[in-house]
Amino acid sequence: ETGVTQTPRHLVMGMTNKKSLKCEQHLGHNAMYWYKQSAKKPLELMFVYSLEERVENNSVPSRFSPECPNSSHLFLHLHTLQPEDSALYLCASSQVGWDTGTGNVRLNTEAFFGQGTRLTVV
Amino acid sequence: AQTVTQSQPEMSVQEAETVTLSCTYDTSESDYYLFWYKQPPSRQMILVIRQEAYKQQNATENRFSVNFQKAAKSFSLKISDSQLGDAAMYFCARYNFNKFYFGSGTKLNVKP
Repeated sequence: ETGVTQTPRHLVMGMTNKKSLKCEQHLGHNAMYWYKQSAKKPLELMFVYSLEERVENNSVPSRFSPECPNSSHLFLHLHTLQPEDSALYLCASSQVGWDTGTGNVRLNTEAFFGQGTRLTVV
Repeated sequence: AQTVTQSQPEMSVQEAETVTLSCTYDTSESDYYLFWYKQPPSRQMILVIRQEAYKQQNATENRFSVNFQKAAKSFSLKISDSQLGDAAMYFCARYNFNKFYFGSGTKLNVKP
């Protein structure tokens, strides 16, 4: 297996269900991301795990809960979702490091994406 | 605001001709990275081209090139000799502060 793999590819769930999306990267990267893609809107960054730090978008509802047990795996736990949460959920990974000169995070590779999970909430 | 704006929701180009997709962004930082990604119907986002803000020379990758205007915060993508396989959604993106920020995309149609 190579690249970034997301499972499942499609998911239909009721508003009272609990489900999880899984992402696995085989690229040796140290940063992973969850994005929500809705039609005609910019990709919305939901969560970042980078250099052992979690960064989150404060506008993401608490019914979305990320988990990153190690640098290769990322989960998005879903519970009591709403119909407006229906979208394509994309996982990505990249390699980052510290720029010792500026103290900023330096990007060593672009983001590599999985094929996404198409989520429908009914 | 850390925004990326793509003002062209949809564009069309004749096969073998040239098309330019526009992108502007907003940042107060001097060190950042810019990207163009392609998303075909298969949904897989694929990198087209990458530019680091400290580099003045415009990046090129075969038929794809960018016009990076740092002062104007503009980053347009030029596709030369367009091919049917170039038809897709194209997303402009910027990276800094541990995050990739994306625009809303431009749908490119290629006419045979």
